[in-house]
Amino acid sequence: EDKVVQSPLSLVVHEGDTVTLNCSYEVTNFRSLLWYKQEKKAPTFLFMLTSSGIEKKSGRLSSILDKKELFSILNITATQTGDSAIYLCAVTDNAGNMLTFGGGTRLMVKP
Amino acid sequence: KAGVTQTPRYLIKTRGQQVTLSCSPISGHRSVSWYQQTPGQGLQFLFEYFSETQRNKGNFPGRFSGRQFSNSRSEMNVSTLELGDSALYLCASSSRPGQGLKGNEKLFFGSGTQLSVL
Repeated sequence: EDKVVQSPLSLVVHEGDTVTLNCSYEVTNFRSLLWYKQEKKAPTFLFMLTSSGIEKKSGRLSSILDKKELFSILNITATQTGDSAIYLCAVTDNAGNMLTFGGGTRLMVKP
Repeated sequence: KAGVTQTPRYLIKTRGQQVTLSCSPISGHRSVSWYQQTPGQGLQFLFEYFSETQRNKGNFPGRFSGRQFSNSRSEMNVSTLELGDSALYLCASSSRPGQGLKGNEKLFFGSGTQLSVL
């Protein structure tokens, strides 16, 4: 059974700090790892990673995948209060029909 | 382009009742998936539909069922509601072309239906 573990469970930082969120996984026939941000209800897509060592960036957010060690990190630099959310990591296998999600990391950014 | 639309936004039911939730995917998306989100279990996969066919099902009892219509809109039904069914039910659509084929597994989520069972 596929498994995704995220750490830390929650995190409180101040504006301007840099945070690193972790995601480790066990999946048979890995295909991709995805990061989502969930502020209220609808998770919104951040990144999809399929290859090791290639960093994906979007503004202050970046993510990288290590397929040998089976983990990914999501970095947020110069955090803002608007970054407060639950960050979800998910993996797909080669059948590609479903996402297996981790429990999420709840990030709170204080002014 | 309109996003994924779920109705209703909120529902309150009592134990033993049944409920039907609706989801309209992004125009052109033919794959619709349903997920249940609870504080204790996180996001768990319920089922996925593509071209009116259920392609995959998660580990949920038979009380949870769904269907997809020819216009790709989907409904899920929960019968004989239990207290533990209280959750946020999220629908997601994607443009994934076919089972097992390389495609875009990126899901676009709706805002969900918050179901409370009393």
